Amino acid sequence: DAKTTQPPSMDCAEGRAANLPCNHSTISGNEYVYWYRQIHSQGPQYIIHGLKNNETNEMASLIITEDRKSSTLILPHATLRDTAVYYCIVRVPGNTPLVFGKGTRLSVIA
Amino acid sequence: GAVVSQHPSRVICKSGTSVKIECRSLDFQATTMFWYRQFPKQSLMLMATSNEGSKATYEQGVEKDKFLINHASLTLSTLTVTSAHPEDSSFYICSASPSGAGGRYNEQFFGPGTRLTVL
Repeated sequence: DAKTTQPPSMDCAEGRAANLPCNHSTISGNEYVYWYRQIHSQGPQYIIHGLKNNETNEMASLIITEDRKSSTLILPHATLRDTAVYYCIVRVPGNTPLVFGKGTRLSVIA
Repeated sequence: GAVVSQHPSRVICKSGTSVKIECRSLDFQATTMFWYRQFPKQSLMLMATSNEGSKATYEQGVEKDKFLINHASLTLSTLTVTSAHPEDSSFYICSASPSGAGGRYNEQFFGPGTRLTVL
């Protein structure tokens, strides 16, 4: 079972920041927070991951609360191509599978 | 870098036939690959873990005799759906992590998926 809780859907205006929340109150000390997204009829795409520090890459920023019980994925300037289902997953890195929950369906609106 | 391919991307077959799906890591080696399936409007469900040179590990409720997995090399895993039936119609996706520590070891990369339709 997925160990995360996400809102089922969100809308965001094109060009604005999209902030996607995730609750993972039972996260273990050695588990990382991963974010993936899946555009319709494609395989999931890796976005970002982190342990306890905030992370940023060319796609997004990840903000993890100090107690690590929740996090927020930030897409700074959402475009129509960012419309997808976003999955927040907690996992120990390495040869362990990703367990997907229901994710958040983000719709970016022009 | 870190590309995973799947072949075929789409397949339509008659009920009772077997279908083989290939998953390849193109620019890295992977001792472990994973197979998922996804029904319409649902999330990805893990089917099995494919281990190079050894038997696959199946999730509860997945029939190992129906979904045959072979991981013959560090860059190739195959999933064979034997005696396929309409209820096996689904989107099958594989994933892999680069072997070894460091670099992109912590990431997992997905193939583009294979859509199977059984008539």
